[in-house]
Amino acid sequence: GAVVSQHPSRVICKSGTSVKIECRSLDFQATTMFWYRQFPKQSLMLMATSNEGSKATYEQGVEKDKFLINHASLTLSTLTVTSAHPEDSSFYICSIKQGGNEKLFFGSGTQLSVL
Amino acid sequence: GDSVTQMEGPVTLSEEAFLTINCTYTATGYPSLFWYVQYPGEGLQLLLKATKADDKGSNKGFEATYRKETTSFHLEKGSVQVSDSAVYFCALSRNSGNTPLVFGKGTRLSVIA
Repeated sequence: GAVVSQHPSRVICKSGTSVKIECRSLDFQATTMFWYRQFPKQSLMLMATSNEGSKATYEQGVEKDKFLINHASLTLSTLTVTSAHPEDSSFYICSIKQGGNEKLFFGSGTQLSVL
Repeated sequence: GDSVTQMEGPVTLSEEAFLTINCTYTATGYPSLFWYVQYPGEGLQLLLKATKADDKGSNKGFEATYRKETTSFHLEKGSVQVSDSAVYFCALSRNSGNTPLVFGKGTRLSVIA
């Protein structure tokens, strides 16, 4: 069964609204989760690393005030796209790494479309 | 920094053709290497992996061998099917800590009957 649950799978919103995406670890405690973004026909790009109980680490060029990440528990991390604009339309996916390299799990992704 | 380079797509093949998708990497040390597949409308799924030099990962008829001397991890399949149509991502990960995956740009494969 699924190890990572990501919701919603698809969201359409109006420009200027905020959208929250949840990523849940179902089978184990995840101290670290990763958030990626994939624009059409491009690769997954790491946006930020979400650490339980502390501030997320953002990659260069990613606006931390626009993409709010909260990792309040060992099983849940949320990504909030604030004041979304059409250019934020993308596929967002979370990833959890358990232990070493042997176990890497991805959520099913969230397709965000901003009108 | 670490990086992954894979061949540009899209790749269009006829059913039962041989598939090769090239992937090379740049990294210090000994990363683990992965191929992920993304079927239309779905999230990424791990296809195969190799954790050390000369390891061969295999799954669903796909194979890739970790070649440290050429820093490559090319994906191959002897006979593709229409159901193999998807986007394939090569990726690497460090062996220590909670470092995330570094992905290539992805290669879209279309297999026609």
